[in-house]
Amino acid sequence: DSGVTQTPKHLITATGQRVTLRCSPRSGDLSVYWYQQSLDQGLQFLIQYYNGEERAKGNILERFSAQQFPDLHSELNLSSLELGDSALYFCASSVEENIQYFGAGTRLSVL
Amino acid sequence: SQQGEEDPQALSIQEGENATMNCSYKTSINNLQWYRQNSGRGLVHLILIRSNEREKHSGRLRVTLDTSKKSSSLLITASRAADTASYFCATDPLFPGNMLTFGGGTRLMVKP
Repeated sequence: DSGVTQTPKHLITATGQRVTLRCSPRSGDLSVYWYQQSLDQGLQFLIQYYNGEERAKGNILERFSAQQFPDLHSELNLSSLELGDSALYFCASSVEENIQYFGAGTRLSVL
Repeated sequence: SQQGEEDPQALSIQEGENATMNCSYKTSINNLQWYRQNSGRGLVHLILIRSNEREKHSGRLRVTLDTSKKSSSLLITASRAADTASYFCATDPLFPGNMLTFGGGTRLMVKP
């Protein structure tokens, strides 16, 4: 158990819908990272938050947004969903030397 | 685009054999890390090697780093069926900081 909690584990929704993925980092970790993993794109970095502030942005679509709350949990919002958004979404947290601890992921299926 | 590229993409060996995976990257780094992912699960950190280190060991794992060639290798000795997983290298670049970039991974199958 990495100590990073992601909910829900599975999400099935339709095109055009909006979903929210939730992540609780390990106790004491200030950084939260979001990744998307699909079969054809590999593991893609989306966005990083540090202590509530956006720190780095990767290949995140404009339809996606994230935030980190004062209690350090984070949410990733995906809107106007398309079939191609079907993927595993991972959250990770870190504290030192950027060693990242990953949650179990949310498997999103857009039908 | 991916910073690290693993080679081979897939590897199949017998239990007890050694497995070697290679990673090449493009920019200067603070450190390079290896992660393991069992099918459909989260990634698990295995080992970190800093840019000023050349070799590091952890149990049955041995990692080397050649910054002049921008490459790293992960050796798993005396492999076990339980080592079956995908292995990813991840680079922590000097600029911008704090943003790991993962390679495409090597899928390792260890046959009992």
